[in-house]
Amino acid sequence: ETGVTQSPTHLIKTRGQQVTLRCSSQSGHNTVSWYQQALGQGPQFIFQYYREEENGRGNFPPRFSGLQFPNYSSELNVNALELDDSALYLCASSLIGSGDTQYFGPGTRLTVL
Amino acid sequence: QKEVEQDPGPLSVPEGAIVSLNCTYSNSAFQYFMWYRQYSRKGPELLMYTYSSGNKEDGRFTAQVDKSSKYISLFIRDSQPSDSATYLCAMSYNNNDMRFGAGTRLTVKP
Repeated sequence: ETGVTQSPTHLIKTRGQQVTLRCSSQSGHNTVSWYQQALGQGPQFIFQYYREEENGRGNFPPRFSGLQFPNYSSELNVNALELDDSALYLCASSLIGSGDTQYFGPGTRLTVL
Repeated sequence: QKEVEQDPGPLSVPEGAIVSLNCTYSNSAFQYFMWYRQYSRKGPELLMYTYSSGNKEDGRFTAQVDKSSKYISLFIRDSQPSDSATYLCAMSYNNNDMRFGAGTRLTVKP
């Protein structure tokens, strides 16, 4: 069984730039959720994708957007980066309807200068 | 008031001690309760997952949920230095949008 993978591991961007983060879900999972974890804080829910459509969204502005592909992999896009966007971005996958919970990838650490 | 409250610690215990970690919450709609362990600069690793109230045991770990008090706990028996990590409680009403506590940093000293 393949776990959740994310790329890249680290990324440095400057304010105003755009970034794309990638996630491959665990084998057999059909749902991908994205979380933002600031230093010293718990993860915060950004949004979830199921069947290539957004299936719930947290309190994040529209410049945070995503995609899910037919193979259930996913992208998180952030436009007009701000300094406060510096965080660990976590992807979690699950099988909707299974009653099981979400399993996380290792995360992408984004630094905005 | 935050939706999920968790004492950030830090908590330091000697090897072999019993560790008790707790979270309180305000949303009575939460039905799914999780504990994750997170090592420094890594993704959270699922430890325990429970639905509704009750206890669940897995090896040295026991999770308790008291929905009437809106209180969940994780107990670690015979703690080991390898248990040193940040422990995150998480909960959800729909098993999709999870709400996390801030995490408790635990150090187990040899």
